[in-house]
Amino acid sequence: EDKVVQSPLSLVVHEGDTVTLNCSYEVTNFRSLLWYKQEKKAPTFLFMLTSSGIEKKSGRLSSILDKKELFSILNITATQTGDSAIYLCAVGSSNTGKLIFGQGTTLQVKP
Amino acid sequence: DTGVSQNPRHKITKRGQNVTFRCDPISEHNRLYWYRQTLGQGPEFLTYFQNEAQLEKSRLLSDRFSAERPKGSFSTLEIQRTEQGDSAMYLCASSLTLTANEQFFGPGTRLTVL
Repeated sequence: EDKVVQSPLSLVVHEGDTVTLNCSYEVTNFRSLLWYKQEKKAPTFLFMLTSSGIEKKSGRLSSILDKKELFSILNITATQTGDSAIYLCAVGSSNTGKLIFGQGTTLQVKP
Repeated sequence: DTGVSQNPRHKITKRGQNVTFRCDPISEHNRLYWYRQTLGQGPEFLTYFQNEAQLEKSRLLSDRFSAERPKGSFSTLEIQRTEQGDSAMYLCASSLTLTANEQFFGPGTRLTVL
């Protein structure tokens, strides 16, 4: 059965810290891996990764995919209180339109 | 606003009642998805459409759930004879077929069944 596992499930850091969120997957016919940020509303799109070893970067956030080891990481540097949210990892396969989501990592950034 | 919109944003109903939710996707997106999210979990796939055709339904989708996209634009999700276990956030997302996995989500409809 296809599955996506995220770790840690929750994390508390202080402003300025760097955090690394993990996502591992077992999905038939992998096509892409996506990261979303969810505050008290719908998930907002961060990154989509399809190729191994190519880092995607947006400001203080970056992510990379390892298709051999079946995992991805999301890094956030110099965290701010506005980064507090649930970070969701999702995987899409090529033979279906659906995304399979992990449980999410709840990040709390304290001032 | 050119994003995905959903109505209503909140719905409180009594057990046994029927409810219907609406989703309007991003205008040029031909794929539309429904997910359900409960507290502490990631979204869980329910069903998706390409234009007006419903291409996949989750095994989790009981016979009480039905979705339509009659003209290939907006979609409705109906839950008949609601149960307390149906309480959740119902999320709609849309995408282009070409970039099917790059899905953009609406604000969701939070359903509470009393």
